[in-house]
Amino acid sequence: TQLLEQSPQFLSIQEGENLTVYCNSSSVFSSLQWYRQEPGEGPVLLVTVVTGGEVKKLKRLTFQFGDARKDSSLHITAAQPGDTGLYLCAGETGGTSYGKLTFGQGTILTVHP
Amino acid sequence: GAGVSQSPSNKVTEKGKDVELRCDPISGHTALYWYRQSLGQGLEFLIYFQGNSAPDKSGLPSDRFSAERTGGSVSTLTIQRTQQEDSAVYLCASSKMGTDTQYFGPGTRLTVL
Repeated sequence: TQLLEQSPQFLSIQEGENLTVYCNSSSVFSSLQWYRQEPGEGPVLLVTVVTGGEVKKLKRLTFQFGDARKDSSLHITAAQPGDTGLYLCAGETGGTSYGKLTFGQGTILTVHP
Repeated sequence: GAGVSQSPSNKVTEKGKDVELRCDPISGHTALYWYRQSLGQGLEFLIYFQGNSAPDKSGLPSDRFSAERTGGSVSTLTIQRTQQEDSAVYLCASSKMGTDTQYFGPGTRLTVL
């Protein structure tokens, strides 16, 4: 069974602070995805990283895929209240004909004004 | 265009009753997935459909859980003899092909009393 350990589970910060969320596994994934989910809604894909060592930037969000494709991080610069939500990482298992995803437990981020 | 829709949005039932949860995927999407999400947690894969076939049912927790898909479109997840531990949000996702981006519905919150 492939597991993704996500940390921290909870993060409560003030507006303007920086934060990093980590996603770690002992397994290799063909790709790693990050989602954001708001209450009452389904997860929405933020980014997919596929190459070891890859770094992607989405405005104030920076995503990194580890060299060995076993871990990933999400860094948010100058967090805003609108960033509040549940952040999920998900690894895609290679060798299948479809995108079977293994999800981490999620990080609940609260950004206070 | 319309996204993935699920019904009902909320379902409260008594222990031992059967429930049916419905998913309407995005038109033209051949792949459909069901996930379960406990409060504030990550998603647990249940089943994957390609067309009307389910090549991967490995995530269904017990034989009380079943799912079908008809006409390559609508899918129904059925839980028989519900138990309190079945309480969760059940999410459906669809994608154009099996390896494409998954788009999630808003989920059905199931509460078993």
